[in-house]
Amino acid sequence: DAGVIQSPRHEVTEMGQEVTLRCKPISGHNSLFWYRQTMMRGLELLIYFNNNVPIDDSGMPEDRFSAKMPNASFSTLKIQPSEPRDSAVYFCASSLVAGIPPPQETQYFGPGTRLLVL
Amino acid sequence: DAKTTQPPSMDCAEGRAANLPCNHSTISGNEYVYWYRQIHSQGPQYIIHGLKNNETNEMASLIITEDRKSSTLILPHATLRDTAVYYCIVSGYNQGGKLIFGQGTELSVKP
Repeated sequence: DAGVIQSPRHEVTEMGQEVTLRCKPISGHNSLFWYRQTMMRGLELLIYFNNNVPIDDSGMPEDRFSAKMPNASFSTLKIQPSEPRDSAVYFCASSLVAGIPPPQETQYFGPGTRLLVL
Repeated sequence: DAKTTQPPSMDCAEGRAANLPCNHSTISGNEYVYWYRQIHSQGPQYIIHGLKNNETNEMASLIITEDRKSSTLILPHATLRDTAVYYCIVSGYNQGGKLIFGQGTELSVKP
């Protein structure tokens, strides 16, 4: 398997523009996670899906962020409008299943999308 | 929620064992200890997890104290490629199934 695939790998945009990040999870995995990593805040979970359904979006910073998973093999994270403080590395991860009961299935991370908002 | 405390950085000589400590004094009975690592510019990578007993796999060993308030990740023969940030995470029912990453320990393996 190719692992978790994210695109684009790098994105530079101007403040106010819409940004769409894409993720293809590992085939057969039922759970998908979006994380954001910055120097100041470290690695934060934004949202996760089980069987294409959003389970916990408490980490989504504000209404400018939205995530969708229209099918088992694709998810998007959209920022509209983007702001300079959104500059970060965004990781997508997938696992066989997430949630209780533990132990949690191993999460496999993609290479990340490095976003710079000017 | 249980939280973890790790030293911000550690050094280790290549070929020697790297012992990375983690304190989780408020861990609950149903919570597991997980270790992930993140090599520079890559996504985090799972290493190992445990509940009560010590665990070993091809990457590392996990030693959990009897009272479960702390643990140690052991890389038996560290190589330069083990240079990374290592995250100790406690998770279970209280976290609703989520893994919450802290600041981790930056391990530098030196020749």
